[in-house]
Amino acid sequence: EPEVTQTPSHQVTQMGQEVILRCVPISNHLYFYWYRQILGQKVEFLVSFYNNEISEKSEIFDDQFSVERPDGSNFTLKIRSTKLEDSAMYFCASSQSSYSNQPQHFGDGTRLSIL
Amino acid sequence: GESVGLHLPTLSVQEGDNSIINCAYSNSASDYFIWYKQESGKGPQFIIDIRSNMDKRQGQRVTVLLNKTVKHLSLQIAATQPGDSAVYFCAEKLGGGADGLTFGKGTHLIIQP
Repeated sequence: EPEVTQTPSHQVTQMGQEVILRCVPISNHLYFYWYRQILGQKVEFLVSFYNNEISEKSEIFDDQFSVERPDGSNFTLKIRSTKLEDSAMYFCASSQSSYSNQPQHFGDGTRLSIL
Repeated sequence: GESVGLHLPTLSVQEGDNSIINCAYSNSASDYFIWYKQESGKGPQFIIDIRSNMDKRQGQRVTVLLNKTVKHLSLQIAATQPGDSAVYFCAEKLGGGADGLTFGKGTHLIIQP
């Protein structure tokens, strides 16, 4: 069964450094998402992406965040000048369509630890 | 406040019994709901979904019930197995387009032998 893959599984970064998290969505999916989950808390929406542009973003997704689809398979989340509170699991998801009956499928996440 | 929440943080059931996990939502405009299962160290895994024009949907060993009158969603798991142990999240989608999902806090389902 096709799946969303994310790399790396764990990223340790010094505060203030830039980090790029990578995702390969399911190949025939057109909508891509990033979510984060702080330890012990619920999953929170960050951003959605379609047709090479951001479709929706939450208030969490401020100017330090950016997303990109650099080629036909990868989808990246960049965090500039990381802060301690950016430590979390970051999940990528994709869906075939934005219509209500198309579920979002998630990868296993990247654990980001900011020191 | 949160638009999606769960009544119980932990639910413990005997192996073989049925379990029911509940979820409340507050936004009557939500038109799509999903249940996800999250095992330790893994991402949310899709279980079953339901649209607001339905009140029941069945999958393999799972049933989702939607009561729009009281804004309540439940997940029923029949004949629970050890592999069902996980945290279960309900999530809602507001409107059309590429909206993100709004997740509840999760219920930890523990299967006792």
